[in-house]
Amino acid sequence: AQKITQTQPGMFVQEKEAVTLDCTYDTSDQSYGLFWYKQPSSGEMIFLIYQGSYDEQNATEGRYSLNFQKARKSANLVISASQLGDSAMYFCAMRNTGNQFYFGTGTSLTVIP
Amino acid sequence: DAGVIQSPRHEVTEMGQEVTLRCKPISGHDYLFWYRQTMMRGLELLIYFNNNVPIDDSGMPEDRFSAKMPNASFSTLKIQPSEPRDSAVYFCASNHGGDSPLHFGNGTRLTVT
Repeated sequence: AQKITQTQPGMFVQEKEAVTLDCTYDTSDQSYGLFWYKQPSSGEMIFLIYQGSYDEQNATEGRYSLNFQKARKSANLVISASQLGDSAMYFCAMRNTGNQFYFGTGTSLTVIP
Repeated sequence: DAGVIQSPRHEVTEMGQEVTLRCKPISGHDYLFWYRQTMMRGLELLIYFNNNVPIDDSGMPEDRFSAKMPNASFSTLKIQPSEPRDSAVYFCASNHGGDSPLHFGNGTRLTVT
């Protein structure tokens, strides 16, 4: 069974500081993908970053980076230099070999000025 | 690129009524997904299609729910009869498989009274 676990229901970070949002996954597939999405209070789902299971380097997209530790089955999102606009729900997702996407329960991030 | 288009944005209906949610995926995307988001259950995959064919509908809650994709540019999710516990935000998403992320519509907020 595929499973995504986000253990932090809520996180706080000071503006301009970095924050790490945790995600672990469980799969028996050899090929899979890991994604992070942001959901602001307005409700839309915004794609942030992607990591393939065979990628050896951690993915980066601007202030977002993905700390991928395959042996530990973790795919943590790191947001550097937090901004007030980063306050939102963040979802980790895994795509399996069959192109099915499974989502974690999300982490609510609040950036404090 | 117009993005994934969902309609209506909001739907309020009475218990027992039929509800139809609509989705237009991004042109060229051959996978289409329907998700339901609630506070209690998070993001649940209801059903997904590949090239207009339903691949996995194991997430459809019960027979009251049905989904169709008559062509590559249109899909519907129907609930008949609706119940208050169906109240949720329903998202449609699409991608073209492989490493591509899901692109989400803005969702339909359904309230069943």
